[in-house]
Amino acid sequence: NAGVTQTPKFQVLKTGQSMTLQCAQDMNHEYMSWYRQDPGMGLRLIHYSVGAGITDQGEVPNGYNVSRSTTEDFPLRLLSAAPSQTSVYFCASSYSGKSNEKLFFGSGTQLSVL
Amino acid sequence: ILNVEQSPQSLHVQEGDSTNFTCSFPSSNFYALHWYRWETAKSPEALFVMTLNGDEKKKGRISATLNTKEGYSYLYIKGSQPEDSATYLCAFNSGGSNYKLTFGKGTLLTVNP
Repeated sequence: NAGVTQTPKFQVLKTGQSMTLQCAQDMNHEYMSWYRQDPGMGLRLIHYSVGAGITDQGEVPNGYNVSRSTTEDFPLRLLSAAPSQTSVYFCASSYSGKSNEKLFFGSGTQLSVL
Repeated sequence: ILNVEQSPQSLHVQEGDSTNFTCSFPSSNFYALHWYRWETAKSPEALFVMTLNGDEKKKGRISATLNTKEGYSYLYIKGSQPEDSATYLCAFNSGGSNYKLTFGKGTLLTVNP
């Protein structure tokens, strides 16, 4: 049971480049989400999904797109990378997204935008 | 934006010491309080999810209490070990779904052998 798998672990981009961070889970979780972790701040929600075909914006969605074509996968796309998007990104999932369910996190992606 | 405060920001203890830290959150619209342990270079891992005022949870040497009326939760570690060194995150849920989670900045615990 792999849990939540995130790739890549590290990435360096130039300003204006685009890329996709991959997230997959094998626990049949309906709820999936993306967070960013910046120094001195708590984890902030970028986008989330409560099931295949359903996505919505979190606290800091600008500059990012998501899609959920399958239950397992929830990729995060950076459309035109900016230095302000330098951060550590975490994918997290839970069974149905209810407030009493713990989140399962991926191992994180450290992204630097030059 | 909801305010979830964790204190202290960091602390250093000696192996064998017991320690505790605090998570403060709004006392209204409470649905759940999560605690996560985040070791360097690893994923945050859930310790507890607490939903009822007065809840107490325990996992080995780690325990947590919850007071929703006054808006705080304590995390206790008894007999700290070097492997307890990590950042401990709390997250307050103000709605019925996990997209309503607001995370604190964490408490960084270092246990010296």
